[in-house]
Amino acid sequence: AQSVAQPEDQVNVAEGNPLTVKCTYSVSGNPYLFWYVQYPNRGLQFLLKYITGDNLVKGSYGFEAEFNKSQTSFHLKKPSALVSDSALYFCAVRGIDSNYQLIWGAGTKLIIKP
Amino acid sequence: EPEVTQTPSHQVTQMGQEVILRCVPISNHLYFYWYRQILGQKVEFLVSFYNNEISEKSEIFDDQFSVERPDGSNFTLKIRSTKLEDSAMYFCASSADGTNTGELFFGEGSRLTVL
Repeated sequence: AQSVAQPEDQVNVAEGNPLTVKCTYSVSGNPYLFWYVQYPNRGLQFLLKYITGDNLVKGSYGFEAEFNKSQTSFHLKKPSALVSDSALYFCAVRGIDSNYQLIWGAGTKLIIKP
Repeated sequence: EPEVTQTPSHQVTQMGQEVILRCVPISNHLYFYWYRQILGQKVEFLVSFYNNEISEKSEIFDDQFSVERPDGSNFTLKIRSTKLEDSAMYFCASSADGTNTGELFFGEGSRLTVL
């Protein structure tokens, strides 16, 4: 069955340091992978996606993610964190198992401390 | 920047009452979705809608739920007889295309509290 795992409920990073939010997936065939961000009291906002091609994809607000097929991972990264990056981050996958509907991870709360 | 808007932002209702959640998708989008997020849990797909009909629905979307696009701009989710477990944040989303690779644009959500 198709699934997405975000192993960390919360990630704490000091401002200016690099950040990583982890995501692993399980899906048949080629996955379509997405990251969304949810700021407090706001809706879900698209950050970036991997469909095909270069394994490193760049998205909004300086975020990037690396698709690793052998490790079935799609970790979200940013070289230098900002306090304003503090939010809830969701990884999602589309695959044939779910008839291409988005299957979501549980979310990771990212806290950036000044 | 165009956005998806949802009303109400918060609704409190008694168990057994009917609730209608409203959404105005981005104007040139053709594909519409409802998701829900129970507090502290995952975002869950409810239903997708295209060309005035449901294209896909999840197991959650049972007979108490219905969707409608009554006037070409609004996209509504109706819960006929609410239950306590329907308490959640309901998100509407739209997309310009129905491909598997397209991103969804979400509204800010409607929080439903069933007492």
